[in-house]
Formats: sequence, C-alpha cells, structure tokens
Amino acid sequence: ETGVTQTPRHLVMGMTNKKSLKCEQHLGHNAMYWYKQSAKKPLELMFVYNFKEQTENNSVPSRFSPECPNSSHLFLHLHTLQPEDSALYLCASSQEGGRGRSTDTQYFGPGTRLTVL
Amino acid sequence: QKEVEQDPGPLSVPEGAIVSLNCTYSNSAFQYFMWYRQYSRKGPELLMYTYSSGNKEDGRFTAQVDKSSKYISLFIRDSQPSDSATYLCAMSLYSSASKIIFGSGTRLSIRP
Repeated sequence: ETGVTQTPRHLVMGMTNKKSLKCEQHLGHNAMYWYKQSAKKPLELMFVYNFKEQTENNSVPSRFSPECPNSSHLFLHLHTLQPEDSALYLCASSQEGGRGRSTDTQYFGPGTRLTVL
Repeated sequence: QKEVEQDPGPLSVPEGAIVSLNCTYSNSAFQYFMWYRQYSRKGPELLMYTYSSGNKEDGRFTAQVDKSSKYISLFIRDSQPSDSATYLCAMSLYSSASKIIFGSGTRLSIRP
C-alpha cells in the first residue's frame, strides 16, 4: 500500500450506531488531518494531529471523536450521528517542519462516503 | 462574507480550449495559495503551490495571484478530457498545513 489509505470507502449507519473510520499513511509523515467534505461546501478541517498530539479541534461536535495512536494511524469514532453528518470524510497527512510550519504539502486519502439514515 | 469564494460551476468547455478558474478572498494577509484537483471518488491532490503575488507555470497549468485585487486564477492550456475534475483553490496565512482555507470547488468538464 502506498500513500494515504482509508477504510471503509463507504459506510451507511443509523443514528444510534457506533462506527469508526480508519486512516493509514505510508509516507512517513508526522501530521494527520480529518476533513469533512459536503456537496457544494468548502472542505472543513475537523482535527489536526501533529506528532500524535491534537493541535486543532475546529468546534467539532463531541459525537465525532478522533484517535491517533501513532503517527501512521488516525481514527474517527462516530456515535449518535445526525443525517446532516452525511458527507465525504477525508484524511490527509503532511510532514510538518516543527513550530507549526509545514515544509511539504498535504496528501489526501480517497475518503469514506458516510450516509447517516 | 465567506473567506474564500469560488464559483461551483459546472463549467463545460471543448477539448483544446483554454480554461480559466478563479477564486476571490477577503483576508489580505493570505500569503500561500494552492490549487488542488479532485477526480470523482478520489481525494484532492495538490496541483500548484505559490507564495505571494505573481505567476507560476507547470506544463499546461499556470497559477496567477493578484494580491492587490485578492484574486487568484488557474489557467489550463490545451485542455484534455482527462482534466475533467473538481478544482479547489486554497490559501493560508502560513506555510503550515493546519491553517489552510479551501474554496468550495469548481466542477470542470472537458468535452471531446
């Protein structure tokens, strides 16, 4: 596997379910991100992990819970979601140069298409 | 007012045409400007990255930044059907990837 992979690619869940999205990067990067992409809306940054520490949480509801066990893996745990949470969830990674300055670009995974019924 | 405005399209042009994609922004402090291309069922991939004002060329692609007008453009010469995708502009105050603001994307279709 190369680049950034995400599983599952598609997920349908009810509002009472609990599920997790998984992201793995094979690029040796030290920063990982979760984005939400809804139709005709800008990409929304949800969470940033830099050297496994969460450095950004852009007012994301608590029904989304990220986990970064190491610099290669990132999870997004989902529980009691709402239909408006249906979207494409993208994971990305980059090599941060320290002090929050990036010396590289972001590399995106293919995304997980989430539908909440 | 949104920080970054981008016409969602769709934009449909014949093969071989010159394509112009644009974004406007409101924060004059933005310094780093990017264009990403996103094919259907794929994540965005970085196409062009520029710092401050000016032009940058890479093959058939030219990125242009006009900071005085708060306007950025991406030009595609000799457009090909394989250029059909959604193009996202993005910008940030710093080179840090955690501070990137994205446009909503323009859907482009190149007709053979």
